Amino acid sequence: IQLTQSPSFLSASVGDRVTITCRASQGIRSYVAWYQQKPGTAPRLLIYEASTLQSGVPSRFSGSGSGTQFTLTISSLQPEDSATYYCQHLNGFPVTFGGGTKVDIK
Amino acid sequence: QVQLQESGPGLVKPSQTLSLTCTVSGASISSGRDYWSWIRQPAGKGLEWIGRVYTSGSTDYNPSLKSRVAISVDTSKNQFSLNLISVTAADTAVYYCARTTVTYYLDVWGTGTTVTVSS
Repeated sequence: IQLTQSPSFLSASVGDRVTITCRASQGIRSYVAWYQQKPGTAPRLLIYEASTLQSGVPSRFSGSGSGTQFTLTISSLQPEDSATYYCQHLNGFPVTFGGGTKVDIK
Repeated sequence: QVQLQESGPGLVKPSQTLSLTCTVSGASISSGRDYWSWIRQPAGKGLEWIGRVYTSGSTDYNPSLKSRVAISVDTSKNQFSLNLISVTAADTAVYYCARTTVTYYLDVWGTGTTVTVSS
């Protein structure tokens, strides 16, 4: 299963609403997770099963979608959200990740 | 609080074997609730899932690496390990270990260890 993220890079201002899309090459129901990775650190799980927020993750992060199209939304971008975001399918193995979306703060 | 920590050589010669260990604290590998995975990330690139192991020792591997990889578990030490044979420069990456749920998401990660393949 191939996952294609778009855009690969975006720049937005603090307070903006930001949306990242992840498209799957075949239907994967709601089996998608999203991760945030800051430079020099390990990825951090944000959302699993498309829309379930991992414990401790701020509520400005949300996920939606099913089938082949999924979105990660940051409702009000904060300076600490500058990072690269990856989607991952959970629809069996081998597990694959999207190519990543780098989010920059203007 | 569950924590994972990778350890192993930072430099491996081409054609040799890359061996890493992940030590788990705050959770028992033998609890049978989770799987335990290895993931890698070349500098400036995306994430590649290598494989996972269950407490019983059963494994799943990425088909692209299956002929060269072995993941094992040592429940007495609460550790799991990665062996990757016949390495080349393309295996240079940061290697992460992670706890993996039965539905494949990776909810706790180690800090990562950089492995360079070079003579």
